Amino acid sequence: GQQLNQSPQSMFIQEGEDVSMNCTSSSIFNTWLWYKQDPGEGPVLLIALYKAGELTSNGRLTAQFGITRKDSFLNISASIPSDVGIYFCAGQLKGGAQKLVFGQGTRLTINP
Amino acid sequence: DAGVTQSPTHLIKTRGQQVTLRCSPISGHKSVSWYQQVLGQGPQFIFQYYEKEERGRGNFPDRFSARQFPNYSSELNVNALLLGDSALYLCASSLGGSDGYTFGSGTRLTVV
Repeated sequence: GQQLNQSPQSMFIQEGEDVSMNCTSSSIFNTWLWYKQDPGEGPVLLIALYKAGELTSNGRLTAQFGITRKDSFLNISASIPSDVGIYFCAGQLKGGAQKLVFGQGTRLTINP
Repeated sequence: DAGVTQSPTHLIKTRGQQVTLRCSPISGHKSVSWYQQVLGQGPQFIFQYYEKEERGRGNFPDRFSARQFPNYSSELNVNALLLGDSALYLCASSLGGSDGYTFGSGTRLTVV
């Protein structure tokens, strides 16, 4: 099935470090979403981006909707142990089924 | 308010059997979508329903079917189960616009 190109696939960092991950696509999306998934749970929405060029923050998280509408990045500042998990980007087209197309995920591991 | 609830949480079936998964959306949400998440991958879109009508279908065989009831709850049915159908099946609900979806915790289906 269709998926976005998300990188890196995994990250091993020290507590307190900043994290950056990104997502690219060959298709244009009208909405970019970033989710976090913990083991045994469904994805939880972190940030939603609705306009090209939009930069949005949610606490220590910052995400941007690329100008070309084909990419997005997520930054996490000053990582803490509860940031551990799998982060997914998702693109959504407007109209029709409004389905979400997900990236493969970035697994974040933090060494205390 | 309760979030998106899915049942059962875990299920083991034999190849060739049929399975029905259930989802109750957040109160007031009229759109329900189903996703399949294979281990190590991002979720893949299966179906979207809005106001009891199918709005979209992903690249899944006809063995997969779904429906939405007048109270906006939904069922996903899979016939003639294959080993490859083993996955986490996620239900997500939204108000119906371009807002982000809220996911349930999923049903873990194992086909043996």
